[in-house]
Amino acid sequence: DAGVTQSPTHLIKTRGQQVTLRCSPKSGHDTVSWYQQALGQGPQFIFQYYEEEERQRGNFPDRFSGHQFPNYSSELNVNALLLGDSALYLCALGRGGRGTEAFFGQGTRLTVV
Amino acid sequence: GIQVEQSPPDLILQEGANSTLRCNFSDSVNNLQWFHQNPWGQLINLFYIPSGTKQNGRLSATTVATERYSLLYISSSQTTDSGVYFCAVINFGNEKLTFGTGTRLTIIP
Repeated sequence: DAGVTQSPTHLIKTRGQQVTLRCSPKSGHDTVSWYQQALGQGPQFIFQYYEEEERQRGNFPDRFSGHQFPNYSSELNVNALLLGDSALYLCALGRGGRGTEAFFGQGTRLTVV
Repeated sequence: GIQVEQSPPDLILQEGANSTLRCNFSDSVNNLQWFHQNPWGQLINLFYIPSGTKQNGRLSATTVATERYSLLYISSSQTTDSGVYFCAVINFGNEKLTFGTGTRLTIIP
């Protein structure tokens, strides 16, 4: 357990609204990735941040944006929410080097109504 | 992109039984991880095993990188082992974990 904390744990939003999800890492983990997991599927990669820069992005629209702060914590923002954005959002931490072990937070369950 | 296939998709076993879960991947990898997802959605790290064999209590895993597969062994299953098991990989030149479709394990008392 890398001590990854995500907030909030659950969230209900209305279609068209905007949402911000947060991930707070344990010290020593400087790389953060975000994943979306729809019901019954495996997690899908949204993007990864390292040294406050987006290092890689998955196949998600520009409505999904992120930020990494100097203390390595991170935010995921989703604009103009759609019903299909309802999912479990997971934050994963790593340590700089490519291919290193990833540790996941408990996730934020977002419901869009 | 890299393809990750897991088998079987579903497995129902009696408590105390042993099981083997398989993960096949379509390209060379520099990271392979096995996770157990609990009912609350938390992905729990089981093994980081891009190659070789590791053991942790009743669980062990083997990755044969040259043949592009990994196996997760669970011995003397307990009801708390129930859940979905995911294999996930990172291939060279990439940063993201690509997940398999998972194996849903149900252990019956």
